[in-house]
Amino acid sequence: GENVEQHPSTLSVQEGDSAVIKCTYSDSASNYFPWYKQELGKRPQLIIDIRSNVGEKKDQRIAVTLNKTAKHFSLHITETQPEDSAVYFCAATETGTASKLTFGTGTRLQVTL
Amino acid sequence: GAVVSQHPSWVICKSGTSVKIECRSLDFQATTMFWYRQFPKQSLMLMATSNEGSKATYEQGVEKDKFLINHASLTLSTLTVTSAHPEDSSFYICSAGLENEQFFGPGTRLTVL
Repeated sequence: GENVEQHPSTLSVQEGDSAVIKCTYSDSASNYFPWYKQELGKRPQLIIDIRSNVGEKKDQRIAVTLNKTAKHFSLHITETQPEDSAVYFCAATETGTASKLTFGTGTRLQVTL
Repeated sequence: GAVVSQHPSWVICKSGTSVKIECRSLDFQATTMFWYRQFPKQSLMLMATSNEGSKATYEQGVEKDKFLINHASLTLSTLTVTSAHPEDSSFYICSAGLENEQFFGPGTRLTVL
Protein backbone atom coordinates (compact mmCIF):
# COMPACT_ATOMS: atom_id res chain seq x y z
CA GLY A 1 0.00 0.00 0.00
CA GLU A 2 0.86 3.67 -0.10
CA ASN A 3 3.18 5.19 2.48
CA VAL A 4 3.52 8.94 2.88
CA GLU A 5 6.28 10.58 4.88
CA GLN A 6 6.14 14.22 5.89
CA HIS A 7 8.78 16.63 7.22
CA PRO A 8 9.28 18.56 9.36
CA SER A 9 6.98 17.56 12.20
CA THR A 10 7.09 21.08 13.62
CA LEU A 11 7.95 24.36 11.96
CA SER A 12 8.17 27.79 13.51
CA VAL A 13 8.49 30.86 11.31
CA GLN A 14 8.19 34.57 11.83
CA GLU A 15 5.27 36.40 10.35
CA GLY A 16 6.00 37.33 6.79
CA ASP A 17 8.50 34.56 6.23
CA SER A 18 7.94 31.54 4.01
CA ALA A 19 7.21 28.01 5.16
CA VAL A 20 7.94 24.82 3.26
CA ILE A 21 6.63 21.36 4.10
CA LYS A 22 7.81 18.31 2.21
CA CYS A 23 6.26 14.90 1.59
CA THR A 24 7.36 11.75 -0.14
CA TYR A 25 5.19 8.90 -1.31
CA SER A 26 5.91 5.32 -2.25
CA ASP A 27 3.21 4.18 -4.67
CA SER A 28 3.87 5.26 -8.26
CA ALA A 29 0.18 4.72 -9.02
CA SER A 30 -0.77 7.67 -6.81
CA ASN A 31 -1.75 10.62 -8.93
CA TYR A 32 -3.63 13.00 -6.67
CA PHE A 33 -1.98 14.89 -3.83
CA PRO A 34 -4.11 17.13 -1.61
CA TRP A 35 -2.96 19.28 1.28
CA TYR A 36 -5.11 19.85 4.32
CA LYS A 37 -5.05 22.38 7.11
CA GLN A 38 -6.44 21.25 10.44
CA GLU A 39 -7.06 23.49 13.39
CA LEU A 40 -7.36 22.01 16.85
CA GLY A 41 -10.50 19.91 17.22
CA LYS A 42 -11.70 20.72 13.72
CA ARG A 43 -12.03 18.81 10.48
CA PRO A 44 -9.26 18.89 7.88
CA GLN A 45 -9.81 21.61 5.28
CA LEU A 46 -8.49 21.21 1.76
CA ILE A 47 -6.23 24.14 0.95
CA ILE A 48 -4.70 23.07 -2.34
CA ASP A 49 -4.20 19.95 -4.40
CA ILE A 50 -2.20 18.82 -7.38
CA ARG A 51 -2.55 16.05 -9.90
CA SER A 52 0.28 14.13 -11.45
CA ASN A 53 -0.07 15.74 -14.86
CA VAL A 54 0.98 19.08 -13.36
CA GLY A 55 4.30 20.06 -11.82
CA GLU A 56 3.24 23.13 -9.91
CA LYS A 57 0.08 24.86 -8.80
CA LYS A 58 -0.40 28.17 -7.06
CA ASP A 59 -3.26 29.81 -5.25
CA GLN A 60 -2.43 33.24 -3.86
CA ARG A 61 0.09 32.67 -1.03
CA ILE A 62 0.01 28.90 -1.31
CA ALA A 63 1.78 26.77 -3.87
CA VAL A 64 2.45 23.09 -4.31
CA THR A 65 5.13 21.43 -6.39
CA LEU A 66 5.30 17.82 -7.51
CA ASN A 67 8.25 15.76 -8.67
CA LYS A 68 6.85 12.48 -9.97
CA THR A 69 10.23 10.99 -10.70
CA ALA A 70 11.44 11.48 -7.16
CA LYS A 71 7.99 10.85 -5.71
CA HIS A 72 7.91 13.95 -3.61
CA PHE A 73 5.73 17.01 -3.34
CA SER A 74 5.97 20.16 -1.30
CA LEU A 75 3.74 22.87 0.12
CA HIS A 76 4.98 26.44 0.05
CA ILE A 77 3.33 29.20 2.04
CA THR A 78 4.62 32.71 1.46
CA GLU A 79 4.10 35.84 3.55
CA THR A 80 2.92 33.75 6.47
CA GLN A 81 0.35 35.17 8.86
CA PRO A 82 -0.58 34.15 12.42
CA GLU A 83 -3.81 32.61 11.11
CA ASP A 84 -1.71 30.17 9.10
CA SER A 85 -0.78 28.50 12.40
CA ALA A 86 -2.27 25.00 12.31
CA VAL A 87 -1.38 21.41 11.54
CA TYR A 88 -0.87 20.67 7.87
CA PHE A 89 -1.25 17.21 6.35
CA CYS A 90 -0.26 16.00 2.95
CA ALA A 91 -1.99 13.02 1.41
CA ALA A 92 -1.75 10.80 -1.62
CA THR A 93 -4.16 8.61 -3.51
CA GLU A 94 -5.04 7.21 -6.87
CA THR A 95 -7.77 9.47 -8.16
CA GLY A 96 -11.43 8.73 -7.79
CA THR A 97 -13.95 9.63 -5.18
CA ALA A 98 -13.84 6.04 -3.98
CA SER A 99 -10.11 6.20 -3.44
CA LYS A 100 -8.84 6.22 0.09
CA LEU A 101 -6.37 8.86 1.17
CA THR A 102 -3.09 8.03 2.83
CA PHE A 103 -2.04 10.89 5.06
CA GLY A 104 1.37 12.10 6.06
CA THR A 105 2.21 12.44 9.73
CA GLY A 106 1.47 16.15 9.86
CA THR A 107 3.42 19.36 10.39
CA ARG A 108 2.58 21.74 13.18
CA LEU A 109 3.21 25.24 11.83
CA GLN A 110 3.58 28.10 14.27
CA VAL A 111 3.73 31.61 12.89
CA THR A 112 5.10 34.00 15.46
CA LEU A 113 4.73 37.78 15.52
CA GLY B 1 -22.47 22.48 -1.49
CA ALA B 2 -20.72 19.22 -0.49
CA VAL B 3 -21.49 19.27 3.21
CA VAL B 4 -20.84 16.29 5.44
CA SER B 5 -22.24 16.18 8.94
CA GLN B 6 -21.53 13.94 11.89
CA HIS B 7 -23.52 13.21 14.97
CA PRO B 8 -22.85 13.40 17.81
CA SER B 9 -20.01 15.93 17.90
CA TRP B 10 -18.86 14.50 21.19
CA VAL B 11 -19.82 11.61 23.41
CA ILE B 12 -18.73 10.30 26.78
CA CYS B 13 -19.56 6.73 27.66
CA LYS B 14 -18.73 4.10 30.21
CA SER B 15 -16.37 1.27 29.43
CA GLY B 16 -18.19 -1.71 27.95
CA THR B 17 -20.98 0.23 26.29
CA SER B 18 -21.52 0.74 22.57
CA VAL B 19 -21.55 4.05 20.78
CA LYS B 20 -22.99 4.83 17.35
CA ILE B 21 -21.68 7.69 15.23
CA GLU B 22 -23.57 8.89 12.17
CA CYS B 23 -22.07 10.41 9.05
CA ARG B 24 -24.35 12.11 6.55
CA SER B 25 -23.75 13.71 3.18
CA LEU B 26 -26.30 16.52 3.27
CA ASP B 27 -26.43 17.72 -0.32
CA PHE B 28 -24.99 14.91 -2.38
CA GLN B 29 -25.06 11.15 -2.63
CA ALA B 30 -22.05 9.13 -1.65
CA THR B 31 -21.63 5.50 -2.60
CA THR B 32 -18.41 5.44 -0.66
CA MET B 33 -17.58 6.99 2.67
CA PHE B 34 -14.45 6.66 4.75
CA TRP B 35 -13.95 6.44 8.49
CA TYR B 36 -10.77 7.77 10.08
CA ARG B 37 -9.49 7.82 13.61
CA GLN B 38 -7.16 10.49 14.94
CA PHE B 39 -5.39 10.27 18.27
CA PRO B 40 -4.06 13.47 19.88
CA LYS B 41 -1.20 15.02 17.95
CA GLN B 42 -1.28 12.26 15.38
CA SER B 43 -2.36 11.93 11.80
CA LEU B 44 -5.63 10.61 10.43
CA MET B 45 -5.57 6.86 10.12
CA LEU B 46 -8.05 5.20 7.81
CA MET B 47 -10.10 2.58 9.60
CA ALA B 48 -12.42 1.40 6.88
CA THR B 49 -14.10 2.17 3.61
CA SER B 50 -17.88 2.13 3.83
CA ASN B 51 -19.66 0.98 0.70
CA GLU B 52 -23.36 1.59 0.18
CA GLY B 53 -25.25 -1.65 0.02
CA SER B 54 -22.29 -3.90 0.74
CA LYS B 55 -19.82 -4.79 3.43
CA ALA B 56 -17.23 -2.32 4.57
CA THR B 57 -13.58 -2.83 3.76
CA TYR B 58 -11.42 -2.64 6.87
CA GLU B 59 -7.78 -1.64 7.04
CA GLN B 60 -5.27 -4.04 8.45
CA GLY B 61 -5.36 -4.13 12.22
CA VAL B 62 -8.90 -2.75 12.55
CA GLU B 63 -11.29 -5.22 14.14
CA LYS B 64 -14.44 -5.42 12.06
CA ASP B 65 -16.42 -6.96 14.90
CA LYS B 66 -15.53 -4.09 17.18
CA PHE B 67 -16.08 -1.27 14.72
CA LEU B 68 -19.33 -2.04 12.96
CA ILE B 69 -20.04 -0.04 9.83
CA ASN B 70 -23.39 0.21 8.11
CA HIS B 71 -23.97 2.16 4.90
CA ALA B 72 -27.64 1.61 4.32
CA SER B 73 -28.30 4.61 2.10
CA LEU B 74 -26.45 6.92 -0.25
CA THR B 75 -26.39 9.66 2.37
CA LEU B 76 -25.78 7.84 5.62
CA SER B 77 -23.02 5.69 7.06
CA THR B 78 -22.81 4.70 10.70
CA LEU B 79 -19.89 3.54 12.80
CA THR B 80 -20.66 1.65 15.98
CA VAL B 81 -17.89 1.19 18.49
CA THR B 82 -18.89 -1.92 20.40
CA SER B 83 -17.80 -2.66 23.95
CA ALA B 84 -15.83 0.55 24.05
CA HIS B 85 -12.73 0.78 26.22
CA PRO B 86 -10.62 3.78 27.26
CA GLU B 87 -8.11 3.03 24.50
CA ASP B 88 -10.90 3.64 21.96
CA SER B 89 -11.06 7.27 23.08
CA SER B 90 -10.22 9.27 19.99
CA PHE B 91 -11.44 11.72 17.36
CA TYR B 92 -13.43 9.87 14.71
CA ILE B 93 -13.86 11.60 11.34
CA CYS B 94 -15.76 10.48 8.28
CA SER B 95 -15.41 11.67 4.72
CA ALA B 96 -17.30 11.31 1.47
CA GLY B 97 -16.11 11.78 -2.06
CA LEU B 98 -17.59 14.07 -4.68
CA GLU B 99 -16.03 15.02 -8.01
CA ASN B 100 -12.59 13.75 -7.08
CA GLU B 101 -12.48 15.60 -3.78
CA GLN B 102 -13.13 14.24 -0.32
CA PHE B 103 -15.20 16.24 2.10
CA PHE B 104 -14.79 15.65 5.79
CA GLY B 105 -17.32 15.64 8.54
CA PRO B 106 -16.66 17.77 11.63
CA GLY B 107 -15.59 14.78 13.66
CA THR B 108 -16.82 13.07 16.81
CA ARG B 109 -14.78 13.12 19.96
CA LEU B 110 -15.29 9.90 21.87
CA THR B 111 -14.22 9.63 25.49
CA VAL B 112 -14.55 6.26 27.18
CA LEU B 113 -14.36 6.35 30.95
